[in-house]
Amino acid sequence: AQTVTQSQPEMSVQEAETVTLSCTYDTSENNYYLFWYKQPPSRQMILVIRQEAYKQQNATENRFSVNFQKAAKSFSLKISDSQLGDTAMYFCAFMGEDSGYSTLTFGKGTMLLVSP
Amino acid sequence: GAVVSQHPSWVICKSGTSVKIECRSLDFQATTMFWYRQFPKQSLMLMATSNEGSKATYEQGVEKDKFLINHASLTLSTLTVTSAHPEDSSFYICSASWGQGGYGYTFGSGTRLTVV
Repeated sequence: AQTVTQSQPEMSVQEAETVTLSCTYDTSENNYYLFWYKQPPSRQMILVIRQEAYKQQNATENRFSVNFQKAAKSFSLKISDSQLGDTAMYFCAFMGEDSGYSTLTFGKGTMLLVSP
Repeated sequence: GAVVSQHPSWVICKSGTSVKIECRSLDFQATTMFWYRQFPKQSLMLMATSNEGSKATYEQGVEKDKFLINHASLTLSTLTVTSAHPEDSSFYICSASWGQGGYGYTFGSGTRLTVV
């Protein structure tokens, strides 16, 4: 079974600074997708960014980018120019070919607090 | 596009009664829907996978008779918590798949269930 590990339960950063959230995963599959989801205080799950394992290029979405290291099974999220609205729980998630690309496996999450 | 509506957003019920939670895909047909449970400050735990027109697939440890899932149409899945007890109090989230390969997953806004 796949496992997703987020080793940082909580992180703090000041507005306008950069922060990196860590995520590692364990799988024997070669084809899969990785995601970062954001869950703000409203508790609505929001997709931040996704990465296809077969793509070497790191995904970027505006201020959000990932550092995908397939051999190391690492998938970190970098948030640049942090904003107060980035305060949320962030979940790393895995979706593999074995599940027919249908089931998401989540990490335990990292609570990010952005302060003024 | 790809909006999932979940109702109610919160509900309080008496111990021993049943509660139904609805998850609707508003602008797409969802052949597969997923139900998660989330405890405070914890990750999402997959309860079951719901496929239109067939029985739901429950994760290990989830009581099928307590958490009844019905996916009678391509736009509606329901979760009924039967004979609810205080330990069933939690945040329940649905998500729906509208595409393949990790492109199309969207989440409902969740339901906070409190059993008194």
